Amino acid sequence: GDSVTQMEGPVTLSEEAFLTINCTYTATGYPSLFWYVQYPGEGLQLLLKATKADDKGSNKGFEATYRKETTSFHLEKGSVQVSDSAVYFCALSAYTGGGNKLTFGTGTQLKVEL
Amino acid sequence: GAGVSQSPSNKVTEKGKDVELRCDPISGHTALYWYRQSLGQGLEFLIYFQGNSAPDKSGLPSDRFSAERTGGSVSTLTIQRTQQEDSAVYLCASSPFGGGRQETQYFGPGTRLLVL
Repeated sequence: GDSVTQMEGPVTLSEEAFLTINCTYTATGYPSLFWYVQYPGEGLQLLLKATKADDKGSNKGFEATYRKETTSFHLEKGSVQVSDSAVYFCALSAYTGGGNKLTFGTGTQLKVEL
Repeated sequence: GAGVSQSPSNKVTEKGKDVELRCDPISGHTALYWYRQSLGQGLEFLIYFQGNSAPDKSGLPSDRFSAERTGGSVSTLTIQRTQQEDSAVYLCASSPFGGGRQETQYFGPGTRLLVL
């Protein structure tokens, strides 16, 4: 079946540091890839997505590139802020005609300190 | 516009009781999903509704779990004879069409269920 593996957390960084959260996937079809973020006390919200190989999703300074050859979708940001502290979930969607259900990774907690 | 809403936001119940969780999707969205977020299992798919089609129930963990969607809009997730392992945050999401893998799902704030 489909699966998503992302790096364990928590990840603790100083403000303005470079962020990478690794994500790799296994899928039987040709999935779309997503990063969702959950800020403290809030619901899941889409951060960015990519729907085909070599696509780059970007939002709020975050980027991730769909790498089919390495089955990866790593999340990066050049300079993190305290306000980026949250839990980040990598997910895939491989529509098989029965629904567009998302398969999530376990989540990576990011803490950004001054 | 209004997002996905869920009620109640928190629910505490005793083991063995039945609970109902409600989801109001974004107006006009035809696809509706339920997920569960728990410490042991992470985020997992439960059930999917698409228009008037039969739901995809492949993620429901046991026959104690059921869901319905009335009039193609509001959905209710029912858990019968709750067990302590049912304690989790139950998330509802909706999307405009549900017919393509690239479609974004919009999540509600969740219902936090605690079974004592």
